[in-house]
Amino acid sequence: GIQVEQSPPDLILQEGANSTLRCNFSDSVNNLQWFHQNPWGQLINLFYIPSGTKQNGRLSATTVATERYSLLYISSSQTTDSGVYFCAVDGSSNTGKLIFGQGTTLQVKP
Amino acid sequence: EAQVTQNPRYLITVTGKKLTVTCSQNMNHEYMSWYRQDPGLGLRQIYYSMNVEVTDKGDVPEGYKVSRKEKRNFPLILESPSPNQTSLYFCASRRLMNTEAFFGQGTRLTVV
Repeated sequence: GIQVEQSPPDLILQEGANSTLRCNFSDSVNNLQWFHQNPWGQLINLFYIPSGTKQNGRLSATTVATERYSLLYISSSQTTDSGVYFCAVDGSSNTGKLIFGQGTTLQVKP
Repeated sequence: EAQVTQNPRYLITVTGKKLTVTCSQNMNHEYMSWYRQDPGLGLRQIYYSMNVEVTDKGDVPEGYKVSRKEKRNFPLILESPSPNQTSLYFCASRRLMNTEAFFGQGTRLTVV
């Protein structure tokens, strides 16, 4: 099945710093999403981005499907950005199951 | 507002006492599914439904039941909960398979 790997596993930033999170996947995919799991456990949709580039405020994402990776950029980080960031892709089985990476845990210090 | 609503958000129960976690979406999505999230194991799919009256097992269906009598609702039923079902549960909906997924707020279940 498709493997999804995220890097780095952990990241500590000072407030105001920028960061780039990476998601590699082992096969071609039809769907890629980025989520933020906040400290209360909620999974928040950030981007649905099978290919191309999208921006939403301080966050942007780029997926290069032909090279099997996606990047999430966080600029001017804030303490509220803390949490775990997941990328997820559709598995190869015809079940609609999302395959999640192991996540990047981000801590933004004031 | 488009959303997926789960209830309850938190639940502590005892072994063997039947419980239901409700999930409702207001986006007229055809596809719905349940995941559980455990440390070190990530998110695993429990059951999914492609439409009303169409449900199928995911990767970890043992100990769970679901039903899809209406398009908007997809409850998760634990007939006889056990401590190994202590977990964070998420309901998700999608317009169709391979489209954007939307998750509920999560239900943190503890079985003692």
